[in-house]
Amino acid sequence: EPEVTQTPSHQVTQMGQEVILRCVPISNHLYFYWYRQILGQKVEFLVSFYNNEISEKSEIFDDQFSVERPDGSNFTLKIRSTKLEDSAMYFCASKGQGASSNTEAFFGQGTRLTVV
Amino acid sequence: AQSVTQPDIHITVSEGASLELRCNYSYGATPYLFWYVQSPGQGLQLLLKYFSGDTLVQGIKGFEAEFKRSQSSFNLRKPSVHWSDAAEYFCAVGPYSGGSNYKLTFGKGTLLTVNP
Repeated sequence: EPEVTQTPSHQVTQMGQEVILRCVPISNHLYFYWYRQILGQKVEFLVSFYNNEISEKSEIFDDQFSVERPDGSNFTLKIRSTKLEDSAMYFCASKGQGASSNTEAFFGQGTRLTVV
Repeated sequence: AQSVTQPDIHITVSEGASLELRCNYSYGATPYLFWYVQSPGQGLQLLLKYFSGDTLVQGIKGFEAEFKRSQSSFNLRKPSVHWSDAAEYFCAVGPYSGGSNYKLTFGKGTLLTVNP
């Protein structure tokens, strides 16, 4: 069964450093998303990406965040200068297009980011 | 603004007992409704979804959920819980759209503990 793959599973970084979280969406999917879950809190939408551009972003997704689809398979989330409050589980998701049976998003297993 | 309320933070049931996890939503249009499960250290796995049609939907692992528009609820049920069902369960609501705007709003989750 196709799945969304995220690497690494856990990343520890120092405050102020740049991090790139990587995702390989399901191959024929066209819509890509990042969500995050701070420990003990709800899963929150960060950004959606379609046709090589951001289609929607939340208030959380400020200038420190960026997304990119550098090639035909990867989808990345970059945090330019990490803060302690960026520590969270980050989930990538992808979605196909077309009939209703394709309108659910599939989530990866997450990358746990710890900023120290 | 859309919102999801899961009133039970933590539920404990005995193996073999029935289970109902509550979810209430607030949404201005026809919603897509989802239940996801997150096992420790794992990603978000879709249990079931409601888009339209029959208000009782069947999902994986023996789960079902009933959409009640008049009560703005989408409660998750299982007639007989197994120890492997111990996990955190998230209810989510999203826009009725097959396009790029797949901005899910999640509830805070209900942690299920299963006693032997």
